[in-house]
Amino acid sequence: DAGVTQSPTHLIKTRGQHVTLRCSPISGHKSVSWYQQVLGQGPQFIFQYYEKEERGRGNFPDRFSARQFPNYSSELNVNALLLGDSALYLCASSTRQGVNNSPLHFGNGTRLTVT
Amino acid sequence: AQSVTQPDIHITVSEGASLELRCNYSYGATPYLFWYVQSPGQGLQLLLKYFSGDTLVQGIKGFEAEFKRSQSSFNLRKPSVHWSDAAEYFCAVEYSGGYNKLIFGAGTRLAVHP
Repeated sequence: DAGVTQSPTHLIKTRGQHVTLRCSPISGHKSVSWYQQVLGQGPQFIFQYYEKEERGRGNFPDRFSARQFPNYSSELNVNALLLGDSALYLCASSTRQGVNNSPLHFGNGTRLTVT
Repeated sequence: AQSVTQPDIHITVSEGASLELRCNYSYGATPYLFWYVQSPGQGLQLLLKYFSGDTLVQGIKGFEAEFKRSQSSFNLRKPSVHWSDAAEYFCAVEYSGGYNKLIFGAGTRLAVHP
């Protein structure tokens, strides 16, 4: 079975621009979460979507938004990009809303560079 | 607030030597704990998890971890390290709010000498 797939793998944007990152979960997984990993740090939670509804949001500004589609794929949108948004963006899927007995499976991430 | 501390930023071991990576957590109740590994340019791969029961959990690639409530620790161990184990290792605890949020430590980068 295919794992979590993310696109694109790398992206370079200019400050002030907008970016859309995409994620396809493992087949049968209804939950998608997004994490930001700045170089040298652990991943930080951005959003979780389950059954197409936002279930959790981390401490990120409103410039960050996301949605989940009927096929459970997801998009992460970031507006008005800042240099500090440069990071590896990780998508993770799981079968249920909570991590109890339903661990997260991560994709390989999208490397975003803002210049 | 919940947090995870990985005291060692970098660790270097010789191939064949034993390994222990430290993890301490802050959490009010019984935590759900995880270890993930990240190779360069890759996402995170789950090594093992602790939800309840036996405090010594076995994972993939020969890794194990021991949950010690009295020390608020969940250290990762491997008896004999292989060169392919060189990677970054992250300890994480589940956020108590009920959704799929993990709180990660800052990671420990493992280098393996031949």
